[in-house]
Amino acid sequence: AQKVTQAQTEISVVEKEDVTLDCVYETRDTTYYLFWYKQPPSGELVFLIRRNSFDEQNEISGRYSWNFQKSTSSFNFTITASQVVDSAVYFCALLPGGYQKVTFGTGTKLQVIP
Amino acid sequence: NAGVTQTPKFQVLKTGQSMTLQCAQDMNHEYMSWYRQDPGMGLRLIHYSVGAGITDQGEVPNGYNVSRSTTEDFPLRLLSAAPSQTSVYFCASSYDPLETDTQYFGPGTRLTVL
Repeated sequence: AQKVTQAQTEISVVEKEDVTLDCVYETRDTTYYLFWYKQPPSGELVFLIRRNSFDEQNEISGRYSWNFQKSTSSFNFTITASQVVDSAVYFCALLPGGYQKVTFGTGTKLQVIP
Repeated sequence: NAGVTQTPKFQVLKTGQSMTLQCAQDMNHEYMSWYRQDPGMGLRLIHYSVGAGITDQGEVPNGYNVSRSTTEDFPLRLLSAAPSQTSVYFCASSYDPLETDTQYFGPGTRLTVL
């Protein structure tokens, strides 16, 4: 069975602070894919990143960075110098290789206070 | 391209009524799926399709039917609505389920069952 745990239900930070959103996953597959999505207050779902299980390199995109560690089954997301526009619900998701069923975590609501 | 469109945006039903949530995409994507989003539950996969004529169940299929007669359309049918089906429904599509950098979500349908 596949499982994605986002233990942080809600996080509040003051603008310009750094914040890390945690994601822990469970799968028995050796090939799998991990994703992060952003859901702003407007409700749409925005794809942020995909990472496959064979690529443990960390990735940076502007103020966003992702730390993938297979040893701890974690795929954490860090926002540097947070901004009010970062306020949203962030979802981590898992797709086992060879399947078409994506499992989402329950989401972390981030509030950036000006 | 219109991307993924969903209709209606809002719907109120009485228990026992039936209705169809429409989803269409104009990107010639093979893979389409339906999710429901409930508070504290994240997104849960209802049904998915890997191409016209092929559908399969996701995590929470009970109470929902789907069909895929064309590549473009993937309607979700509620045959006898129940209050437990009150939720926000998202349709998504991608050329390939692994190519989530091109996966698109529709704007969602907010359904209330009284």
